[in-house]
Amino acid sequence: DAKTTQPPSMDCAEGRAANLPCNHSTISGNEYVYWYRQIHSQGPQYIIHGLKNNETNEMASLIITEDRKSSTLILPHATLRDTAVYYCIVRVATGGWGSSNTGKLIFGQGTTLQVKP
Amino acid sequence: DAGITQSPRHKVTETGTPVTLRCHQTENHRYMYWYRQDPGHGLRLIHYSYGVKDTDKGEVSDGYSVSRSKTEDFLLTLESATSSQTSVYFCAISENRYEQYFGPGTRLTVT
Repeated sequence: DAKTTQPPSMDCAEGRAANLPCNHSTISGNEYVYWYRQIHSQGPQYIIHGLKNNETNEMASLIITEDRKSSTLILPHATLRDTAVYYCIVRVATGGWGSSNTGKLIFGQGTTLQVKP
Repeated sequence: DAGITQSPRHKVTETGTPVTLRCHQTENHRYMYWYRQDPGHGLRLIHYSYGVKDTDKGEVSDGYSVSRSKTEDFLLTLESATSSQTSVYFCAISENRYEQYFGPGTRLTVT
């Protein structure tokens, strides 16, 4: 799986958009970009994933560059509850149904996002 | 939130004793995982299961064993607990291998 690089920490004002970058310059053509977050003392929470097209769901938007070497997670209107560690993960999702290749997640150090009032 | 629970939520045990942690899901998801989280290491995969009685090792499996006799339960056993196994343990489930949903965690202290 490709390695990812994220800034260790970021601040964002409440109500503003939070833009979290991730570099994955060695990404392969069949690797997806995933974002998870972990709020203090809780289990990680899935946010969004994508392959090459931009994606949006009720939580966030994922912008992947055309060369796929980097991506940005956007929280459009950050709230204090969005303060968390955000993990960018790149991995392959392959293998047929029942395969032992479960696409295991490898968590790096992530970006600590502090949303401030 | 996905229906996933872990028990116990907190446990203190002595070195050398056996410990079993339970992960229970109500989502009927095929895949289940055990991770541990330690300061400076992030989350690391211990074992995972891709079906009933189908399990495999993760990156830090030494000292741990698992069992999955039915879809909803995935047990993690420390045969003889050591202080290095003091950690927070998270269980996760997945149906499609794309998204994993995590439980609330179990905080284990080995004294």
